[in-house]
Amino acid sequence: GAGVSQSPSNKVTEKGKDVELRCDPISGHTALYWYRQSLGQGLEFLIYFQGNSAPDKSGLPSDRFSAERTGGSVSTLTIQRTQQEDSAVYLCASSDDTAHYSPLHFGNGTRLTVT
Amino acid sequence: QKEVEQNSGPLSVPEGAIASLNCTYSDRGSQSFFWYRQYSGKSPELIMSIYSNGDKEDGRFTAQLNKASQYVSLLIRDSQPSDSATYLCAVFGGGADGLTFGKGTHLIIQP
Repeated sequence: GAGVSQSPSNKVTEKGKDVELRCDPISGHTALYWYRQSLGQGLEFLIYFQGNSAPDKSGLPSDRFSAERTGGSVSTLTIQRTQQEDSAVYLCASSDDTAHYSPLHFGNGTRLTVT
Repeated sequence: QKEVEQNSGPLSVPEGAIASLNCTYSDRGSQSFFWYRQYSGKSPELIMSIYSNGDKEDGRFTAQLNKASQYVSLLIRDSQPSDSATYLCAVFGGGADGLTFGKGTHLIIQP
């Protein structure tokens, strides 16, 4: 595709349920990032992948959060036992490498609402 | 903890005037600096990037970087109502934590 694709665009779930968010980066982009943005707040870094590996997972808010990337392409962010404070927009971005000259291209996000 | 600070605003500027947006960062080793524009309910989109001290101009936008002062700014000339958005400053310090974003400045261009 032409841009970063995220699905679903909206997700409403009950507290305690697990959710899985998907990101399909721009073809050929090796670096993939997940951010979270709560209402009226800035972007909170969660995790980044270079290829299939994630050098630093310390941005994940708790052990209920996990992410994987397979085949150097699609990534999934999984939130187990969701809590109301997990409600936010989850943004995925990709770039063609992790060199500092490479800007990020964002998807449209998944708006997660935990009831 | 790397920090990027921005005045949250709102910053109100009359149409046709120059809008000046400012950002400071804590990591002196930061290498790359970006300005993103985010309309309400939309994803951030890249406006400008700057990597070396001085000014960089692109159309109505000018980014300014002063690494000694750890300061980066964005000037928007001939402001238009369509420029009304939240502007996010982002800093790349290298390593595994990607871009660090400021909380953004909400800019309002008054017709």
